Amino acid sequence: NAGVTQTPKFQVLKTGQSMTLQCAQDMNHEYMSWYRQDPGMGLRLIHYSVGAGITDQGEVPNGYNVSRSTTEDFPLRLLSAAPSQTSVYFCASSYSDTESPYEQYFGPGTRLTVT
Amino acid sequence: GQQLNQSPQSMFIQEGEDVSMNCTSSSIFNTWLWYKQDPGEGPVLLIALYKAGELTSNGRLTAQFGITRKDSFLNISASIPSDVGIYFCAGQSNTDKLIFGTGTRLQVFP
Repeated sequence: NAGVTQTPKFQVLKTGQSMTLQCAQDMNHEYMSWYRQDPGMGLRLIHYSVGAGITDQGEVPNGYNVSRSTTEDFPLRLLSAAPSQTSVYFCASSYSDTESPYEQYFGPGTRLTVT
Repeated sequence: GQQLNQSPQSMFIQEGEDVSMNCTSSSIFNTWLWYKQDPGEGPVLLIALYKAGELTSNGRLTAQFGITRKDSFLNISASIPSDVGIYFCAGQSNTDKLIFGTGTRLQVFP
């Protein structure tokens, strides 16, 4: 299993540009989520999905869109990039059964700079 | 919103020393998780705790779910250089969401 994969690893955008961060998992996990990590602030939840066709907002959803058309993929779209979106973005997935619903597996991250 | 206070922010210790870090919450959690993040990588799950009072070990790591359900601690015994990294606690209450602490940066000197 490849686990959770993210592309690209690095990206530089100009203000106002749009792009999609890709995330895929091959563990048949129902639960997937996107976080951003900023210095001194830990990980903050952007959006999450409890299954294909179902998404919901996290703590910091503004400026981002998500969709979940398949179990495997959970892309994150930046509609109009702003410097405040400069961050490291992590995708994570987990089972949603009652035994281990929150043991999330993280991807390697995408380092985004918006100039 | 809910907040997790993680302390200390950073630690500089000598190889072989024991390490202790903790997280406290303003509200009750049903689940506590501890993650480690190496530079340039995503966090990796170390220990998961699901029951108040639970004490769980993973090699040299031991974590406990506080009786009040508002805190958790992580101990690392006999630290080694590869323990270097950032350690995060995460908690889950009555929603589907995990809340992460701000991390403890550990540096181990030989």
